[in-house]
Amino acid sequence: AQKVTQAQTEISVVEKEDVTLDCVYETRDTTYYLFWYKQPPSGELVFLIRRNSFDEQNEISGRYSWNFQKSTSSFNFTITASQVVDSAVYFCALSEEGSGGSNYKLTFGKGTLLTVNP
Amino acid sequence: NAGVTQTPKFRILKIGQSMTLQCTQDMNHNYMYWYRQDPGMGLKLIYYSVGAGITDKGEVPNGYNVSRSTTEDFPLRLELAAPSQTSVYFCASSYQGLGNTIYFGEGSWLTVV
Repeated sequence: AQKVTQAQTEISVVEKEDVTLDCVYETRDTTYYLFWYKQPPSGELVFLIRRNSFDEQNEISGRYSWNFQKSTSSFNFTITASQVVDSAVYFCALSEEGSGGSNYKLTFGKGTLLTVNP
Repeated sequence: NAGVTQTPKFRILKIGQSMTLQCTQDMNHNYMYWYRQDPGMGLKLIYYSVGAGITDKGEVPNGYNVSRSTTEDFPLRLELAAPSQTSVYFCASSYQGLGNTIYFGEGSWLTVV
């Protein structure tokens, strides 16, 4: 089973629309971290946010906001008033405490391609 | 601010050739990683290292080798390149493991023909 599921493969919106990218994760650990990364067309991976499993407070950073709900194992990402520059692939990722030293890596979802049209 | 630097950015290899992807970081991070990204598949871990002299396999290590002689450098060696190794490769680093943000290099596009 996938540990990180991003069910939306592609989303297309018109500029200024709000858009939510979904992320559902699976873990048996009580201590874990969730991340969002952005991959613009140029290809680099840009870190957006990190959230630990003990902090369910939602976060807002400018036009970006994140909704973390442990009850539904979701960590969704909303872009308000989207812009063309938001066009990118967005990845959700999970880092678990695990056992045997498995805390070293991120498990990535397959990504959501967001296209914002002018 | 250099961060994680990997070279080359683009490379075409013939089947059976070998090459090394270079990676260096200047953030004094203990952990370093190599990921590959295939279209529509997210990123998968090839190898990782928790410090100089220590390396271990990730999810997809076959066909690759790594070494970590210094804290800064973590080269990835492809032996006997195969078309299945056509991918984008990302080197990354973090201060430690769990919870620490992993910072990525800009990627290396490798095509095996």
